[in-house]
Amino acid sequence: QITLKESGPTLVKPTQTLTLTCTVSGLSLNTDGVGMAWIRQPPGKTLEWLAVIYWDDDRRYNSSLRNRLTITKDASKDQVVLTMTNVDPVDTGTYYCVQRQEGSPGAFVQWGQGTLVTVSS
Amino acid sequence: DFVLTQTPLSLTVALGQPASISCKSSQSLVNTDGHTYLSWLHQRPGQPPRLLIYKSSYRFSGVPDRFSGSGTGTDFTLQISRVEADDVGIYYCTQSTKFPLTFGGGTKVEIK
Repeated sequence: QITLKESGPTLVKPTQTLTLTCTVSGLSLNTDGVGMAWIRQPPGKTLEWLAVIYWDDDRRYNSSLRNRLTITKDASKDQVVLTMTNVDPVDTGTYYCVQRQEGSPGAFVQWGQGTLVTVSS
Repeated sequence: DFVLTQTPLSLTVALGQPASISCKSSQSLVNTDGHTYLSWLHQRPGQPPRLLIYKSSYRFSGVPDRFSGSGTGTDFTLQISRVEADDVGIYYCTQSTKFPLTFGGGTKVEIK
């Protein structure tokens, strides 16, 4: 059984850097086709894809976040880390760690429970 | 970016009745590999989303067969043949044909 668990601060001040960690169990981050993504959801709003890192270390980012994001993985620790610089209150929301499987099904197949992050002074 | 527009915004359905949700893309979602990477997600209140349908029409593992997806190119539909109480929540379409990966605005389903 695959589980994804997000961890990180619940409250961050504007202009600070947010660091979120996803700890994975039941899955090797180096398995062909596996991508680990971060997706966020502001309260009462739709979902927004932020970044993804693949088994071969290929990384893609949502350009709308204007180079504020860095995604990394440490397969030996079964962890994926997202860093977001210069946070703003509009970054408030639930942040999900999500497993993406390329090929088949080519979709987001497993979601963590999410972690709520509030940006406020 | 590929913009996904869902309609309706909300839907109230009686138990046992069918429901249909539309998702229209601003550009064709047919990938260069020939596949169409349009998925449907269901999010119950207070829960993370879960995958229902992938590649437009394939049910994910464990998804009841009352859920079906259809469509090609830019127009897609999620159908629930007989709505059950457990089906309440918000349904999202999402595309992964091209980066950035995007989501529709969501359709809220309630029981009458």
